[in-house]
Amino acid sequence: AQSVTQLDSHVSVSEGTPVLLRCNYSSSYSPSLFWYVQHPNKGLQLLLKYTSAATLVKGINGFEAEFKKSETSFHLTKPSAHMSDAAEYFCVVTSNTGNQFYFGTGTSLTVIP
Amino acid sequence: NAGVTQTPKFQVLKTGQSMTLQCAQDMNHNSMYWYRQDPGMGLRLIYYSASEGTTDKGEVPNGYNVSRLNKREFSLRLESAAPSQTSVYFCASRMVYSTYEQYFGPGTRLTVT
Repeated sequence: AQSVTQLDSHVSVSEGTPVLLRCNYSSSYSPSLFWYVQHPNKGLQLLLKYTSAATLVKGINGFEAEFKKSETSFHLTKPSAHMSDAAEYFCVVTSNTGNQFYFGTGTSLTVIP
Repeated sequence: NAGVTQTPKFQVLKTGQSMTLQCAQDMNHNSMYWYRQDPGMGLRLIYYSASEGTTDKGEVPNGYNVSRLNKREFSLRLESAAPSQTSVYFCASRMVYSTYEQYFGPGTRLTVT
């Protein structure tokens, strides 16, 4: 069975410092993986996706993630946090059929001025 | 293009009342999904429709029914609302292949008293 674990429910960083949001997945096949962002009282927006091509994936707004099969991880990073990055972030893995998406419980990012 | 639209945006129901949440997409996507979002639990799949004419249960289908009216529209019905169904409901759509990401609507905030 597939599952996603986001290791931190809340992360606080100072503006201008690096961001690291951690995600581990469990899967018996090679999944597709996604990171979505949700700003307060808004819908979800795709940040980036991994689809078995390059293991280092670049997304919008300076975010990137690295797929590490040996560690079953897909951590999200950004070199320098901006106030507008404050939001909820979700790591997502597909089912083996590709029809269903499994969400992590989310990481709330706070950016301190 | 409007993308994925949902109506209503907010709704308050009394226990035992029924209602239908509407979702429509104009991106010619094959698959459509209904999720609920509760604090600390991420998004959980209620039902999905992989293609027009098919529907399948997700992780938390009890108390809900769905109808894939046509390729554009996918509705979610609560026949007898319960306080446990207080949540934010999101509709999403995507093309059918596993590498394609989901696109989300703005959500419906439902309160059952």
